Amino acid sequence: AQTVTQSQPEMSVQEAETVTLSCTYDTSESDYYLFWYKQPPSRQMILVIRQEAYKQQNATENRFSVNFQKAAKSFSLKISDSQLGDAAMYFCAYRRRTQGGSEKLVFGKGMKLTVNP
Amino acid sequence: KAGVTQTPRYLIKTRGQQVTLSCSPISGHRSVSWYQQTPGQGLQFLFEYFSETQRNKGNFPGRFSGRQFSNSRSEMNVSTLELGDSALYLCASSSFRYIDNEQFFGPGTRLTVL
Repeated sequence: AQTVTQSQPEMSVQEAETVTLSCTYDTSESDYYLFWYKQPPSRQMILVIRQEAYKQQNATENRFSVNFQKAAKSFSLKISDSQLGDAAMYFCAYRRRTQGGSEKLVFGKGMKLTVNP
Repeated sequence: KAGVTQTPRYLIKTRGQQVTLSCSPISGHRSVSWYQQTPGQGLQFLFEYFSETQRNKGNFPGRFSGRQFSNSRSEMNVSTLELGDSALYLCASSSFRYIDNEQFFGPGTRLTVL
C-alpha cells in the first residue's frame, strides 16, 4: 500500500521569506503523480502544484516549486516570497497514474503553515 | 463554470440516525470521489463513482454507501451513525477525459454526530 508522510505538523514563516515543506512517500509503482494541496481555514481544498513521476524536471508554479527526488521518495514544496494568503493546511498527496482508470488520492496528515506579518 | 457543490454544508445528527450527503460535480465531469477528513485520521478515501458505477472503494464499513445518478450527481449515505463519523466529508470531481485529470474539491459537508 502506498503511504505519504508529512513529519512536520506545523511551521511558521515571516511574510516575504521562503519556507520549505517536506513530504516523503512509499510506493512500489513507477508511474504516479505527486501533489501539494492547500486548504485555507474554512475554505475548500485547491491544487497548488503537481509533479509527474516520469518527468525529471521539477514542477514550478509562480512562487511555488517542488524538489522531487524519486530515488529518495521525497517531494518537498518551496514557497518563495510568502504571503499572508499562503496561511493554510498543506497536504501532500500521491496517486497512481493509470490509463483512463480511477485511482484514489492518498494524503499525508497535513501541515499547518502560519505566515507572520 | 460553476465549481463542485455540496449540500448541506453543515449537519447535526444523533447516534443511530442515518444521513445523506449530496455532491454536484463540475459540469461535464463524470467521476466523483468522496473523502472523509478528521483531525485524527486525516483525509481518507471512501469511494469513487464513474458513470453511475462504483469503480473504487476505500476501507470503510458497509454503513457507508454511495451512488451516482445519470447526471453525475452523487450521494453518500451513512447509516447507524456513530460518534466517530463526525468529520468533514469532501467530494471531488474530475473529467476523466484525459489521463492527466485533476480532481476538483467541493467545500465539504461538516457532519457532527451527538
